[in-house]
Amino acid sequence: DAGVIQSPRHEVTEMGQEVTLRCKPISGHNSLFWYRQTMMRGLELLIYFNNNVPIDDSGMPEDRFSAKMPNASFSTLKIQPSEPRDSAVYFCASSSPGQAAGELFFGEGSRLTVL
Amino acid sequence: KQEVTQIPAALSVPEGENLVLNCSFTDSAIYNLQWFRQDPGKGLTSLLLIQSSQREQTSGRLNASLDKSSGRSTLYIAASQPGDSATYLCAVILRDNFNKFYFGSGTKLNVKP
Repeated sequence: DAGVIQSPRHEVTEMGQEVTLRCKPISGHNSLFWYRQTMMRGLELLIYFNNNVPIDDSGMPEDRFSAKMPNASFSTLKIQPSEPRDSAVYFCASSSPGQAAGELFFGEGSRLTVL
Repeated sequence: KQEVTQIPAALSVPEGENLVLNCSFTDSAIYNLQWFRQDPGKGLTSLLLIQSSQREQTSGRLNASLDKSSGRSTLYIAASQPGDSATYLCAVILRDNFNKFYFGSGTKLNVKP
């Protein structure tokens, strides 16, 4: 399996622009997570989906952030409008049900810089 | 609320040393504990997963132990190598929610040649 795939790996944009980050989870995994990592705050859970349904979005910082999972193999995280304080590495992760429940697999991350 | 602590925040050792990284958690009702490695500019790579019913897991030069009663896990690295230099994070999930991962802030390991 190719693992969790994220795109783009790097994004540099100007304040006010829309940013869309993409994620393809591991096939067969039914839970998908979006995390943000910064030096100051470490890893923060933004939102997670179970069977394509958003379960907990309490970590989404503001209404500028939105996430969707239209099917089991694709999710997006959108920031509109972006601000410099959104600069961070955004990770997507997935986990599987059953006996292996709770083992988390991460993508390589999308490094976002907002100027 | 589950709190996960990793001490020290950074560790520097000479190549060849055996070393132990620590992870403490406050709520012992965990479902499992997972150790990750993160290289600079990369994602987190799963190293070892210990179920709550297990005491330890081994993979190559890595051995992770779990003591739920004391709220502690250790990651033992034998015969450390410069390639082991990375940040090591632990995460736990509780029995009542398999989708809530509590992460420590990590230990940054530097193995000097």
